[in-house]
Amino acid sequence: AQSVTQLDSHVSVSEGTPVLLRCNYSSSYSPSLFWYVQHPNKGLQLLLKYTSAATLVKGINGFEAEFKKSETSFHLTKPSAHMSDAAEYFCVVSAGGGKLIFGQGTELSVKP
Amino acid sequence: SAVISQKPSRDICQRGTSLTIQCQVDSQVTMMFWYRQQPGQSLTLIATANQGSEATYESGFVIDKFPISRPNLTFSTLTVSNMSPEDSSIYLCSVPAGGTNEQFFGPGTRLTVL
Repeated sequence: AQSVTQLDSHVSVSEGTPVLLRCNYSSSYSPSLFWYVQHPNKGLQLLLKYTSAATLVKGINGFEAEFKKSETSFHLTKPSAHMSDAAEYFCVVSAGGGKLIFGQGTELSVKP
Repeated sequence: SAVISQKPSRDICQRGTSLTIQCQVDSQVTMMFWYRQQPGQSLTLIATANQGSEATYESGFVIDKFPISRPNLTFSTLTVSNMSPEDSSIYLCSVPAGGTNEQFFGPGTRLTVL
């Protein structure tokens, strides 16, 4: 069965410092993995996706994630946080039949 | 990318009543998905709605509580029946992006049950 675990429920960084949001996955086959972002009172937006091509995936707004099979991880990073990055971030794994399984979410706060 | 709209965007309802949420997509899709996001929680899949067949419900969700219609390839409804305060959530529909496993999400319907 597929599952994802987001290791931090809340991350706080200062503006201009790096962001690291951690995600571990479990899958019985080579998975598709995604990061979605949800800003307050707004819909879900796809940040980036891994679908068995390059292990380092670049997304929108300067975010990237690295698929590490040996560590079953798909951590999300950004070199320099911006105030507008404050939001809820979800790590997501494909579960077959078109279904997605969401992690519990990580709330990112950015301090000025 | 698909453009998805949901109606209503939000509603406040009394316990014991039912609310039907509509999801409209700007292109034809075989599958549509309905999710629930309880306050402060992640998204949980309620069911998969295929046109021309009964919806497939996930564990913990039943048709009597969440009946779904899928009359054509661009539209679906989710009804939340006999509501209680525990049904207060954001309900989202989504559709697959062609050729990949990603999904496009609607803006959600924020439901408050008093």
